[in-house]
Amino acid sequence: EPEVTQTPSHQVTQMGQEVILRCVPISNHLYFYWYRQILGQKVEFLVSFYNNEISEKSEIFDDQFSVERPDGSNFTLKIRSTKLEDSAMYFCASSVDYNEQFFGPGTRLTVL
Amino acid sequence: RKEVEQDPGPFNVPEGATVAFNCTYSNSASQSFFWYRQDCRKEPKLLMSVYSSGNEDGRFTAQLNRASQYISLLIRDSKLSDSATYLCVSIPYNQGGKLIFGQGTELSVKP
Repeated sequence: EPEVTQTPSHQVTQMGQEVILRCVPISNHLYFYWYRQILGQKVEFLVSFYNNEISEKSEIFDDQFSVERPDGSNFTLKIRSTKLEDSAMYFCASSVDYNEQFFGPGTRLTVL
Repeated sequence: RKEVEQDPGPFNVPEGATVAFNCTYSNSASQSFFWYRQDCRKEPKLLMSVYSSGNEDGRFTAQLNRASQYISLLIRDSKLSDSATYLCVSIPYNQGGKLIFGQGTELSVKP
């Protein structure tokens, strides 16, 4: 069964550093998403992406965040200058349409 | 008011029990609804979509009442492997497929 994959599984970084989180969505999916979950809190939407454009973004997704689909398979989330409060689990998801979304295993980001 | 609100939990039930989870949503312009399950520190996994006519998948039954803005999930004959957090999720219209998650209800099924 096709799956969304994410790398790395765990990223530790110093405050102020840039990080890039990588995702490979399911191959025939056209819609891509990033979510995050701070420990003990609910899953929060960050951004959706379709046809090489951002479709929707949340208030969390400020100028420090960007997304890119650099080739036909990868979908990346970049945080330019990490803050302590960026520490969370970041999930990538993909879908065929604006409906059932399938999540990757996540990247645990720890900002020190 | 939270956009998606769930029973606080945790629910501790014996194997074989029937358990029901409730969820309410505040945005009447929500187009689709889902139940996901999440195991500890893992990704949300789609359990089932929720339709106004109600739908069943094995031991799981989901119901949607748009008039009351209420969603439910019923699990019959609980198994130990059903232990997880159950997430109620909505998608608002015209918001790029954004999923809005509830806080989740923790279920623990005991032998």
